[in-house]
Amino acid sequence: AQTVTQSQPEMSVQEAETVTLSCTYDTSESDYYLFWYKQPPSRQMILVIRQEAYKQQNATENRFSVNFQKAAKSFSLKISDSQLGDAAMYFCAYRSAWTSGSRLTFGEGTQLTVNP
Amino acid sequence: DSGVTQTPKHLITATGQRVTLRCSPRSGDLSVYWYQQSLDQGLQFLIQYYNGEERAKGNILERFSAQQFPDLHSELNLSSLELGDSALYFCASSVTMQSGTDTQYFGPGTRLTVL
Repeated sequence: AQTVTQSQPEMSVQEAETVTLSCTYDTSESDYYLFWYKQPPSRQMILVIRQEAYKQQNATENRFSVNFQKAAKSFSLKISDSQLGDAAMYFCAYRSAWTSGSRLTFGEGTQLTVNP
Repeated sequence: DSGVTQTPKHLITATGQRVTLRCSPRSGDLSVYWYQQSLDQGLQFLIQYYNGEERAKGNILERFSAQQFPDLHSELNLSSLELGDSALYFCASSVTMQSGTDTQYFGPGTRLTVL
């Protein structure tokens, strides 16, 4: 079974600074997808960014980018120019590429605080 | 707004009772997923339905059941409730059941409190 680990329960960053959230995963599969979801105090789960394992290029979405290291099974999220609205719980998630593996497996989450 | 709706937003009930949580997927989405978020278990996948049929099961208790109706809305039934069932229950939907470029979009969740 696949596992996802987020080793940083809490992180903090100053407004306008850059922060990196870590995620590692364990899988024997070669084809899969990785995601970062954001959960603000409203508890809504919001997709931040996704990465296909077969793509070498790291995904970017505006101020959010990932560092995907397939061999190391590492998938970190970089938030640039942090804003107060970025404060939230961030979850890393894995999904198999096989049809029967559509479920998301989540890490424990990292609580991000943004200081003004 | 993800386009996925869940009702009710909050539910308070007593141990031993039965409740039903409802989810309407985004327009055009055929797959519905249920997840449970609790303090001790984190975010866990419960069950997936695709176009009315069960497709995958996760850590779903036997006291829990779900179904997806012809209009594609889904219901999660929780019975013989225990204190430990208190959690946030999410529904997510996606276009297909295939793990291609499909993305799961989450509803706002139902907060269940068992007293």
